[in-house]
Amino acid sequence: KQEVTQIPAALSVPEGENLVLNCSFTDSAIYNLQWFRQDPGKGLTSLLLIQSSQREQTSGRLNASLDKSSGRSTLYIAASQPGDSATYLCAVEGGSWGKLQFGAGTQVVVTP
Amino acid sequence: DAGVTQSPTHLIKTRGQHVTLRCSPISGHKSVSWYQQVLGQGPQFIFQYYEKEERGRGNFPDRFSARQFPNYSSELNVNALLLGDSALYLCASSLVGGAFNTGELFFGEGSRLTVL
Repeated sequence: KQEVTQIPAALSVPEGENLVLNCSFTDSAIYNLQWFRQDPGKGLTSLLLIQSSQREQTSGRLNASLDKSSGRSTLYIAASQPGDSATYLCAVEGGSWGKLQFGAGTQVVVTP
Repeated sequence: DAGVTQSPTHLIKTRGQHVTLRCSPISGHKSVSWYQQVLGQGPQFIFQYYEKEERGRGNFPDRFSARQFPNYSSELNVNALLLGDSALYLCASSLVGGAFNTGELFFGEGSRLTVL
């Protein structure tokens, strides 16, 4: 059974610092991994999708890496801003059609 | 272009009632998935529909059902509501589905259900 873990559950950083968010999964037989952002009480916004054959994806200040063999992904956010404050979730797809298995998320606060 | 739209945004029901939630996918997307998110947790997969057929089902009781219409919109129905059904219900759409590696999912803002 796939389990997805995100540590830490919460972190606070001053504006300008780089953010490093971790995601681990127990079953390396995945098809892809996706990072999302969720603002309080809102839906999920897709940030990056990494296919299992890829090692990383980049979009603006965001960079996500994937190491399938070790069951890890890391999301880097460069030069954090207060607007980056949100909960970040990772999810893997594998084993069952269309089913994403989510972690519980990391709640990020960027202080001015 | 419009994203995934869900209705209603908020609703309150009492135990034993039933509820219908609606979702319109992004234009051109043929797959719709439903997720339940309880406060403080990640979303849990309920259903995936592709080309109007159920292609995947999560570990939810038979009180939960869904369908997809010819225009690819979808409904999620929950019968005999329990207090534990209180959650944010999220709909997601994708270009492909009904197979492994659905690809990038795009979520709506969700329907917040409170059961009293």
